[in-house]
Amino acid sequence: KNEVEQSPQNLTAQEGEFITINCSYSVGISALHWLQQHPGGGIVSLFMLSSGKKKHGRLIATINIQEKHSSLHITASHPRDSAVYICAVMEYGNKLVFGAGTILRVKS
Amino acid sequence: KAGVTQTPRYLIKTRGQQVTLSCSPISGHRSVSWYQQTPGQGLQFLFEYFSETQRNKGNFPGRFSGRQFSNSRSEMNVSTLELGDSALYLCASSCTGYGLTDTQYFGPGTRLTVL
Repeated sequence: KNEVEQSPQNLTAQEGEFITINCSYSVGISALHWLQQHPGGGIVSLFMLSSGKKKHGRLIATINIQEKHSSLHITASHPRDSAVYICAVMEYGNKLVFGAGTILRVKS
Repeated sequence: KAGVTQTPRYLIKTRGQQVTLSCSPISGHRSVSWYQQTPGQGLQFLFEYFSETQRNKGNFPGRFSGRQFSNSRSEMNVSTLELGDSALYLCASSCTGYGLTDTQYFGPGTRLTVL
């Protein structure tokens, strides 16, 4: 079992839909990152969380430390949101582990 | 401010050779991390440098090494290249001393092909 599990692996949505991507992990962590990777490889850090909830524009990230779970929500999705979304956790002991990513396609 | 820059952007080498990749962080950033991305393994953490010292290290063989200079620029070296080393190598910098528990700013990557 991978230490970081993301679901779904692939997601297709219609423009305007509300999207949720989930990330579950199995060990204690000090921080969790959500990253966005567009075709061509460029990676952008969306959020870094250690507790609670953060919002930036149409993006919301939440984390539940007790349940070892985080979600990334996209409201009013747009085709430009099409990308790979990657969850990464910083485990105690300074080990950074990545999820396999969720491929999101938003159709107009 | 200029973003994180990586050179070269593309590189082709043959098995057994060695390669050096360079990363210049955002001005003022002192933490630089390196990552390998392959279709099979996804993103994996290589190492992190802060103030010229390796602070964290992932599970890669000793053929993968790095260093950081006093101006925070970093290099990574891969010796005795193998076909499986073909990958996108990304570096990222962060602003504070918290390194991997801080927002990471990624460079565009160096795509290495080993023939």
